[in-house]
Amino acid sequence: GENVEQHPSTLSVQEGDSAVIKCTYSDSASNYFPWYKQELGKRPQLIIDIRSNVGEKKDQRIAVTLNKTAKHFSLHITETQPEDSAVYFCAASFGNEKLTFGTGTRLTIIP
Amino acid sequence: GAGVSQSPSNKVTEKGKDVELRCDPISGHTALYWYRQRLGQGLEFLIYFQGNSAPDKSGLPSDRFSAERTGESVSTLTIQRTQQEDSAVYLCASSSRLGGGYEQYFGPGTRLTVT
Repeated sequence: GENVEQHPSTLSVQEGDSAVIKCTYSDSASNYFPWYKQELGKRPQLIIDIRSNVGEKKDQRIAVTLNKTAKHFSLHITETQPEDSAVYFCAASFGNEKLTFGTGTRLTIIP
Repeated sequence: GAGVSQSPSNKVTEKGKDVELRCDPISGHTALYWYRQRLGQGLEFLIYFQGNSAPDKSGLPSDRFSAERTGESVSTLTIQRTQQEDSAVYLCASSSRLGGGYEQYFGPGTRLTVT
């Protein structure tokens, strides 16, 4: 089955700086890679996703890049703000089959 | 419109008792998923329903866990003879294949505490 590894497990950045979280996956058949943000005590919410026919996708301050050959994808957050503090999960799936999640990155934005 | 709902929001039960957790997916969503999240941990896949297909039960940790879904609506996750290690938040999600969408929408979860 699919295996997703995520690094780092914790990340602290100064407000205004950029944050990068990286994930690798094992199943070359996976073609859908979402990123979820989970604030303390809240449900996970999708913030951006990418499909395997695209190498990069951007939405305002967040972007995701995908390298199918190397089987890794990354989340980039620019101009970080305090409200970006949360746990971020990457995931992989084949279509809308079950998601295999990474172990999460706790991002802390230092004011 | 209404999102995914789950009940109860919190459940405290004694070790050895059975519990039932309920999930109401977004209307029209054909796919429904259950995940488990232990404190400070990631999301662990449990079971997946897609329309009338046989469910993918590959994530259920033991035969004490089972789930049912009525058509394309409500699902219940049942844990028999609960153990302390079952304590976690149980999250339900649903998604629709319409328009090629893959996004999974999560419910608020049920926090299960086994004493």
